[in-house]
Amino acid sequence: DGGITQSPKYLFRKEGQNVTLSCEQNLNHDAMYWYRQDPGQGLRLIYYSQIVNDFQKGDIAEGYSVSREKKESFPLTVTSAQKNPTAFYLCASSIVLGRGNEQFFGPGTRLTVL
Amino acid sequence: ILNVEQSPQSLHVQEGDSTNFTCSFPSSNFYALHWYRWETAKSPEALFVMTLNGDEKKKGRISATLNTKEGYSYLYIKGSQPEDSATYLCASWIGDYKLSFGAGTTVTVRA
Repeated sequence: DGGITQSPKYLFRKEGQNVTLSCEQNLNHDAMYWYRQDPGQGLRLIYYSQIVNDFQKGDIAEGYSVSREKKESFPLTVTSAQKNPTAFYLCASSIVLGRGNEQFFGPGTRLTVL
Repeated sequence: ILNVEQSPQSLHVQEGDSTNFTCSFPSSNFYALHWYRWETAKSPEALFVMTLNGDEKKKGRISATLNTKEGYSYLYIKGSQPEDSATYLCASWIGDYKLSFGAGTTVTVRA
């Protein structure tokens, strides 16, 4: 079955630690995205990638970093510089970057900073 | 409207009843509106992509309408069933690359 997997499902972090959230897709999609969800708010775009070795900042990139070394993988690192990292994180992909292309989502990772 | 907004934030429906809720979006430079259904512990799943003013889409008991001139879309659930319980997200394109999402409407169907 084609789809997007995210791991882990739940992640706990101590303040001051960096953590990396995994996102893998086997849909052969070029574009990938990271979103953050907070209670009562819409999904907010953190980073997106059009193609391997290319990525761009979204609306709330501060305190986050990404890499895109393989087409299938787009890991997100939440650094200690992120002031309020506790949130639900969703990864998505689409065939190509650009409006009108349907985005497919993973099941998400809930990050809690202790 | 500058952002995508959804109302109400949540609603409770008796099994068998019909319901509807709203998505408002910027009408200028409109390109397409997406509806997603997001069940607890699952991935958001695409329901509809709507592009034309007056568009109506239907999937089983769920349907949606689109008014691009005034910037709103309605989603209807006819004869609600417990499996319709989910959060329904709408999203509209802002520029070429960004999907702007509403906060969602959470529907709880009571048996």
